[in-house]
Amino acid sequence: EDKVVQSPLSLVVHEGDTVTLNCSYEVTNFRSLLWYKQEKKAPTFLFMLTSSGIEKKSGRLSSILDKKELFSILNITATQTGDSAVYLCAVLGLRGGGADGLTFGKGTHLIIQP
Amino acid sequence: EPEVTQTPSHQVTQMGQEVILRCVPISNHLYFYWYRQILGQKVEFLVSFYNNEISEKSEIFDDQFSVERPDGSNFTLKIRSTKLEDSAMYFCASSHSSYNEQFFGPGTRLTVL
Repeated sequence: EDKVVQSPLSLVVHEGDTVTLNCSYEVTNFRSLLWYKQEKKAPTFLFMLTSSGIEKKSGRLSSILDKKELFSILNITATQTGDSAVYLCAVLGLRGGGADGLTFGKGTHLIIQP
Repeated sequence: EPEVTQTPSHQVTQMGQEVILRCVPISNHLYFYWYRQILGQKVEFLVSFYNNEISEKSEIFDDQFSVERPDGSNFTLKIRSTKLEDSAMYFCASSHSSYNEQFFGPGTRLTVL
């Protein structure tokens, strides 16, 4: 059974701080790892990672994957109150040969205090 | 920017009733998915759909659930006889291929009384 473990489960920091969110996984026939941001409702796509060591970057957010150690990190620099959300890590494996669903972690609830 | 849409945003129903949740995936996407999130818990995969048939389904997706693409744009999830434990947020998602990122709709909050 595929498994995703995120840490920490919650984190409170001050505006301007840098945060690192962790995601470790076990998955059958790994295809990709995805990060989503969930504010009030729908998960919003951030990054998809398929190869080790290649950093993906979007503004103040960046992420990297280590397929040997089976983990990924999501970094947010110069945090703003608008970054407050639940950050979800999900993995896509190949189990049945069809369009497999994502396996999600519990998420990291990030609160940015002004 | 194209997005996945879902209706209704909130549905309240009595236990034992049938509900149909509707989704319009992104127009050039070929793979469609349903997920659910019980309050305070993880997002869980229910089913994927490709080429007018179910591609994969989880253990949660039992006989009370069914999916359909009744026309060229809508993708529906039917729950035949709702139970209290079906109360959850139901998300539809779509992707261009089974390898691409999945984009999620805003969700339907289902409350079973």
